[in-house]
This record gives sequence, C-alpha cells and structure tokens, in this order.
Amino acid sequence: NAGVTQTPKFRVLKTGQSMTLLCAQDMNHEYMYWYRQDPGMGLRLIHYSVGEGTTAKGEVPDGYNVSRLKKQNFLLGLESAAPSQTSVYFCASSRSPRTGINYEQYFGPGTRLTVT
Amino acid sequence: AQSVTQLGSHVSVSEGALVLLRCNYSSSVPPYLFWYVQYPNQGLQLLLKYTTGATLVKGINGFEAEFKKSETSFHLTKPSAHMSDAAEYFCAVCWAAGNKLTFGGGTRVLVKP
Repeated sequence: NAGVTQTPKFRVLKTGQSMTLLCAQDMNHEYMYWYRQDPGMGLRLIHYSVGEGTTAKGEVPDGYNVSRLKKQNFLLGLESAAPSQTSVYFCASSRSPRTGINYEQYFGPGTRLTVT
Repeated sequence: AQSVTQLGSHVSVSEGALVLLRCNYSSSVPPYLFWYVQYPNQGLQLLLKYTTGATLVKGINGFEAEFKKSETSFHLTKPSAHMSDAAEYFCAVCWAAGNKLTFGGGTRVLVKP
C-alpha cells in the first residue's frame, strides 16, 4: 500500500495564480483532511471531509476550496494565491469514528508551496 | 476554543539522557491523545496514542507517555536518547467532533553526542 500520497511535492506560485493540490489514499478511509504547517504553530486544519461528496471547514479555511468527488481523492484549491499561503501542506486520512475505535490519522509527505 | 500547549519549542539533550517533552490541553472533557514525530522533510508518523484504558502508553522507538486527567497532561518520555531521535514532535488531541485533531506548536529535539 502506498498509504497517503500528495502531488506535487514542491510548487512556486506568483501572487494571484491558482493551483490544485491532489491527495490520494489507498486505505479505503472515509475521512480525509488538509492541514497547513507553519513554524511554531503546529498543524492547522484547513478543510476536511467525512465522506465522498461532503466537505466541511476547519480552523483556517479562508482562501481555500476543496472537493471530494471520489472516496480516495481529496483536492485542495487555491483560487488566487497570496504570500500568506506560503506553507507546507499536509493531507491525512482516517477511518470513520462511527465504524472503528481508532482515531489515528495517516499523513502524506507534504507539499511545500511558496507564493511570491 | 480548545487548545494544546507544548512547553518548549526546542529541547537539547545529550545522547543517552532522558527525553521529556511536555503537553497540556485545555479541556477537561476526556480526549483522545496522540504524539506524532516528524523527521526532516517528511510527513508525520504516529509514535503512540491514548484512547481508553491504561494511562501509561508505550509507543514505537522506546517512547512512552502518561495520561494524567487531573493535570490535563500527556507528557512524552524516553529513558535514553539516541541520535536518531532528532526530529520535531507534535502532541495532538481529538475531542471526537468529526475526528478533528488539534495540534500543539511542536517541539524540536536536538540530540548532542
């Protein structure tokens, strides 16, 4: 199993450009998440999804959109990138707390995004 | 808002010495507790977790943590540091609403020979 994969690994954008980050998981997990990691702030939840076709806002959703058209994929979009969105982005997935007792989240390797 | 606090953004220990990383959380509601480790340029890897049952939890690589409800703490320890323990460590708490995790700010561990 590949686990959680993310593409691309690195990206540089100019202010105002758009892009989409792709997350894929092969563990048949119901739940998927997008986080951003900034120095000294740990990871902060951007958006999450509890199942195919459903998404919800996390702690820092402004400037981002997401889609979960397929169970295994979770896309994060930046419509008009800003320098404040320079960060490392992590995707994660987990089993549903309705069907399992394990709340562990599995993380991808991250995408380093720089907005100039 | 519920929060997670890790005391010390950087910790330096000598090889063979005790590693102690502190984590406190804000709510008295029983949570699910996790410690993750991040090696340079990698994603997060689960070290250990507390869900229910025994309050002393053992994880991978010789780490363990103790859940103390009265102190709202979940400190991470390892009796003898190894050079390979140099990494950043994150405490995370789930209060089970949507399985969302709240992370502490992280503690970077430097191991000196």
